[in-house]
Amino acid sequence: NAGVTQTPKFRILKIGQSMTLQCTQDMNHNYMYWYRQDPGMGLKLIYYSVGAGITDKGEVPNGYNVSRSTTEDFPLRLELAAPSQTSVYFCASSLDSGHSPLHFGNGTRLTVT
Amino acid sequence: QKEVEQDPGPLSVPEGAIVSLNCTYSNSAFQYFMWYRQYSRKGPELLMYTYSSGNKEDGRFTAQVDKSSKYISLFIRDSQPSDSATYLCAMSALRQAGTALIFGKGTTLSVSS
Repeated sequence: NAGVTQTPKFRILKIGQSMTLQCTQDMNHNYMYWYRQDPGMGLKLIYYSVGAGITDKGEVPNGYNVSRSTTEDFPLRLELAAPSQTSVYFCASSLDSGHSPLHFGNGTRLTVT
Repeated sequence: QKEVEQDPGPLSVPEGAIVSLNCTYSNSAFQYFMWYRQYSRKGPELLMYTYSSGNKEDGRFTAQVDKSSKYISLFIRDSQPSDSATYLCAMSALRQAGTALIFGKGTTLSVSS
């Protein structure tokens, strides 16, 4: 099993550009999450999904959109990139929302200039 | 007062030392406590999981929760260079842990041989 796979690993965007961060998991997990990690700020939840077709906002959703058309994929869309969105983005999945551990991908490092 | 406080370090110790990593929290409703380990340029991985108060041991790692003091600890015995990583505490008040996890900022540990 590959686990949680994120692409791309790195990206530089200009202000106002758009991009989609891809995330796919092969563990048949129902729950998927997007976090951002800023230096000295910890992990913050952007969006999450409890299953195909169902998504909900986390702590810091502004400037982002998500969709969940399949169990495996959970892409994160940035429509109008801003310097404040410079961060490392982690996708994670879990079997359920209870005691199951979060399985993280290795992140996408995004710089907006 | 922030919900979860964690000293960012860095913490440098020689190989074989006992390491103590700590987090304090303010929300008395937190019941689920986790420690994640994050190697450089990688996603976090679950190291220890504890429900409510008490101790949990797994090999060289021991997690302690003191709910009366709102204080959790991770002890690493006989530390190894391979333990060099950032350690994130995480906690939740709900059984739906994945959608309501609050992460600490992480403590960076360096173990020298």
